[in-house]
Amino acid sequence: AQSVTQLDSQVPVFEEAPVELRCNYSSSVSVYLFWYVQYPNQGLQLLLKYLSGSTLVESINGFEAEFNKSQTSFHLRKPSVHISDTAEYFCAVSDDRDDKIIFGKGTRLHILP
Amino acid sequence: DAEITQSPRHKITETGRQVTLACHQTWNHNNMFWYRQDLGHGLRLIHYSYGVQDTNKGEVSDGYSVSRSNTEDLPLTLESAASSQTSVYFCASSAAGNNEQFFGPGTRLTVL
Repeated sequence: AQSVTQLDSQVPVFEEAPVELRCNYSSSVSVYLFWYVQYPNQGLQLLLKYLSGSTLVESINGFEAEFNKSQTSFHLRKPSVHISDTAEYFCAVSDDRDDKIIFGKGTRLHILP
Repeated sequence: DAEITQSPRHKITETGRQVTLACHQTWNHNNMFWYRQDLGHGLRLIHYSYGVQDTNKGEVSDGYSVSRSNTEDLPLTLESAASSQTSVYFCASSAAGNNEQFFGPGTRLTVL
């Protein structure tokens, strides 16, 4: 069975500092990986996804994630965070057996001034 | 623009009452999903549908039901609301064969 582990429930970081949100998954088949972002009092929005091809994927607002098959990880990084990045971030896994997505428990990113 | 909407956005009800949460999407997606979000649990799948007349149980389906009579709507019914069902509920949809899901804004349900 698939599962997703987000090791950190909360990550505090100073504004303009780099950040890494960790995500590990388990699956016995080829996977699709996602990061979703939830801003306060809103629904989830897709931030970036890995389906195939290049293992490094990027979002339009400066986040990137790298698919590492040997370490079964899909960590999310940003070199310099802004106050507007304050949100909860969810890692998710799926595969081509069906269209369901399994979500991690989320990591709350706190940006400190 | 295509969108996915939920109503009501906020609901307070009493234990034992039947409650129905609406979800409507104009993406023409075959797949629709209902999740609940609780602190410390992330998103948990309640029910899902891969097309009209198709419904399936998710991870936490007890006490909930859905029906899919058309492509656009997947209402979620709590047959007899319990305090443990106080939560934020999200509906999502995706195209068949595409794992990327689009989420609604959520419904905050409080059961007193």
